[in-house]
Amino acid sequence: SQTIHQWPATLVQPVGSPLSLECTVEGTSNPNLYWYRQAAGRGLQLLFYSVGIGQISSEVPQNLSASRPQDRQFILSSKKLLLSDSGFYLCAWSGGLGGNTIYFGEGSWLTVV
Amino acid sequence: DQQVKQNSPSLSVQEGRISILNCDYTNSMFDYFLWYKKYPAEGPTFLISISSIKDKNEDGRFTVFLNKSAKHLSLHIVPSQPGDSAVYFCAASPNSGYALNFGKGTSLLVTP
Repeated sequence: SQTIHQWPATLVQPVGSPLSLECTVEGTSNPNLYWYRQAAGRGLQLLFYSVGIGQISSEVPQNLSASRPQDRQFILSSKKLLLSDSGFYLCAWSGGLGGNTIYFGEGSWLTVV
Repeated sequence: DQQVKQNSPSLSVQEGRISILNCDYTNSMFDYFLWYKKYPAEGPTFLISISSIKDKNEDGRFTVFLNKSAKHLSLHIVPSQPGDSAVYFCAASPNSGYALNFGKGTSLLVTP
């Protein structure tokens, strides 16, 4: 069966410091991969999605970037964190083009201080 | 621009009664709809889905109804249980797209 893991689960970072959140999927090949953010009172916002290695689409302009160095690995990064980057970050995967269920990881709490 | 809307931020229901969570959407290209359940500090878990060729899908205590002409869907939980207390997200996507558009969620509290 397919599993998805992301880490770290929680982190507290100072403003201006870098960020790296990692996500891996097991039990499937060539998944679509996603990064979502849940900010307080704002639901789930799509940040990035990827349909293949090195292919990244960004949904909103922001201080973050994403990379997919391997088929089942998705990384969310920032060179310099802002206070507004605080939130709950969720990695997710799905099996194909449209009409597919997205499955989420456990989430990562980021607090920028 | 919020294309999926859950206008009730919270709902309180007694154990054993029916919970009805509502969702509206604006994009007529959406044809696949899902409900997710989320506990605090955890990722959302998939609950139930429906495609636009149907108007009802049932899975145990959970039923999703779709009214395409009204661009409205609802999730019914019968009977409600205290363990159902969570935030419920409605989501939608077009078959030609990849990612889901989510509503802001409805916090359901089921009281004993």
